[in-house]
Amino acid sequence: KQEVTQIPAALSVPEGENLVLNCSFTDSAIYNLQWFRQDPGKGLTSLLLIQSSQREQTSGRLNASLDKSSGRSTLYIAASQPGDSATYLCVPQGYSGAGSYQLTFGKGTKLSVIP
Amino acid sequence: EAQVTQNPRYLITVTGKKLTVTCSQNMNHEYMSWYRQDPGLGLRQIYYSMNVEVTDKGDVPEGYKVSRKEKRNFPLILESPSPNQTSLYFCASSLAAGGDEQFFGPGTRLTVL
Repeated sequence: KQEVTQIPAALSVPEGENLVLNCSFTDSAIYNLQWFRQDPGKGLTSLLLIQSSQREQTSGRLNASLDKSSGRSTLYIAASQPGDSATYLCVPQGYSGAGSYQLTFGKGTKLSVIP
Repeated sequence: EAQVTQNPRYLITVTGKKLTVTCSQNMNHEYMSWYRQDPGLGLRQIYYSMNVEVTDKGDVPEGYKVSRKEKRNFPLILESPSPNQTSLYFCASSLAAGGDEQFFGPGTRLTVL
């Protein structure tokens, strides 16, 4: 069964810093990996989707990398801003059998960017 | 605007009173699913549907029902809610089941007294 670990669980940084969020997963047979952000009590907003054949994806100040063979992904945030404060979730998607697929959620990294 | 909508967003009810949480998507997605999110446990899948009239259990299906009569709608039904179903619920959809980007609804916060 897939397990996802996100380190650190919480992170507090001053505005303007570059930072890296780490994610590891136990089953490397994944189709893709998606990073989401979640604001308190709200829904999940998709940030980046990396297909299993890709090594990285970039969107604005965000860059996500994927090393499928070692079961690792990182989310890099450049020049952090207070608006980046949220919980970030790493979610690999794998095959669960009988033609179905399953997302496995990490518990997230709670990021606070201090003005 | 492409989106997944859920209603209601907030609901307080009492034990045993049947309720339905609606989910609708306007992206012509085949795959839809329901999750619950509880502190310290992350998101867990309740049910999913790979297409119209095709539904299956996720990791925590007990106490829930779903139906998929139309492609755009995937309601979650609690026939006899209990306090342990107090949670934050999310509906999600994707074009197909595998390899596609998942889109999530805004969530429904349910409290069962």
